[in-house]
Amino acid sequence: SQQGEEDPQALSIQEGENATMNCSYKTSINNLQWYRQNSGRGLVHLILIRSNEREKHSGRLRVTLDTSKKSSSLLITASRAADTASYFCATYTGGFKTIFGAGTRLFVKA
Amino acid sequence: DAMVIQNPRYQVTQFGKPVTLSCSQTLNHNVMYWYQQKSSQAPKLLFHYYDKDFNNEADTPDNFQSRRPNTSFCFLDIRSPGLGDAAMYLCATSSPAGKWNEQFFGPGTRLTVL
Repeated sequence: SQQGEEDPQALSIQEGENATMNCSYKTSINNLQWYRQNSGRGLVHLILIRSNEREKHSGRLRVTLDTSKKSSSLLITASRAADTASYFCATYTGGFKTIFGAGTRLFVKA
Repeated sequence: DAMVIQNPRYQVTQFGKPVTLSCSQTLNHNVMYWYQQKSSQAPKLLFHYYDKDFNNEADTPDNFQSRRPNTSFCFLDIRSPGLGDAAMYLCATSSPAGKWNEQFFGPGTRLTVL
């Protein structure tokens, strides 16, 4: 069964606004990762947060992790049209197996 | 630049006609993965290699097989493609010594089955 589920499924915002995506998962994890996928392309790793971390920043990205609620959020600040893509959370539980959620499709209007 | 390369980017095959997708990497990573991604869905792991050790996911159909002749190359063979096998196929790599299974993806091969 799918480990990660994301919310919302789709999000449309204006350039300059912040975008928040949420991910929930079911089992204990070693870490949680967020990936971006531009239309028809492969996935690009954005940021990784370990199970003992609560918040992490990378440029305009901020990720939080709440292991008690088994949830994570990705915040993109000051969004740009180039941020238009699908964003996937992925949980790593060991054994080289990473399970991806269904993704949030973000559309940033210029 | 070190990268993961997939060929071809687009593949059209006929129902039941065997097809092979290829992946190569210059990252020298031990682990290579094949994922299937259908439209608006999560990438689904089919199998992975750790060096020459092959690990098949329990729900991967027998129709899908893989070969890894050396560190750099990995192939996905679909023996008898059905219409339901039309999807994007993603190859990825990771290194056990790297960052907690951060994966590096190729651009994907979009498979069409006629």
